[in-house]
Amino acid sequence: GENVEQHPSTLSVQEGDSAVIKCTYSDSASNYFPWYKQELGKRPQLIIDIRSNVGEKKDQRIAVTLNKTAKHFSLHITETQPEDSAVYFCAASKGSNYKLTFGKGTLLTVNP
Amino acid sequence: EADIYQTPRYLVIGTGKKITLECSQTMGHDKMYWYQQDPGMELHLIHYSYGVNSTEKGDLSSESTVSRIRTEHFPLTLESARPSHTSQYLCASQGQRDYNEQFFGPGTRLTVL
Repeated sequence: GENVEQHPSTLSVQEGDSAVIKCTYSDSASNYFPWYKQELGKRPQLIIDIRSNVGEKKDQRIAVTLNKTAKHFSLHITETQPEDSAVYFCAASKGSNYKLTFGKGTLLTVNP
Repeated sequence: EADIYQTPRYLVIGTGKKITLECSQTMGHDKMYWYQQDPGMELHLIHYSYGVNSTEKGDLSSESTVSRIRTEHFPLTLESARPSHTSQYLCASQGQRDYNEQFFGPGTRLTVL
């Protein structure tokens, strides 16, 4: 089955700096890669996703890049703010008829 | 408002008790999932369902069972709770279209004494 590795497990940055979280996947048939943000005590929520026919996608301060050849994808957060502090999970699947396989999560702390 | 609901939100029970965690969604989704998560830790899929009368075990072995008699309802049952079952349980649902987002419920925090 699919295996998703996520790094780093913890990341601490100063407010205004950029943060990058990287994930690799094992199943070359995977074609959907969402990112979820989970604030302390809250439920995970989708923040951005990318499909295999796209190399990069941006939404304001967040962006995701995908390298299908290398089987890795990354989340980029620019101009970080304290409210970006949360656990971020990457995931992969082969489409809506397949379950998501999640990475182990990255605890991002943005220091004021 | 379309959403996914879980009850109870918090539950403290003694060892050996039978419990049922409720999950309901008003989003019209056919796919539903149960995850087990310790605070801030990885999400472990324990059960999922792609429609009525369809249930599958997830990646993490669990002593719990599930049923899917109605599209909107996906309860999880522990016949005999143990301290090792102490965790947070998150329910999620997903629509039929390709690349659909999974929506998570608020979770049930279970403590077994």
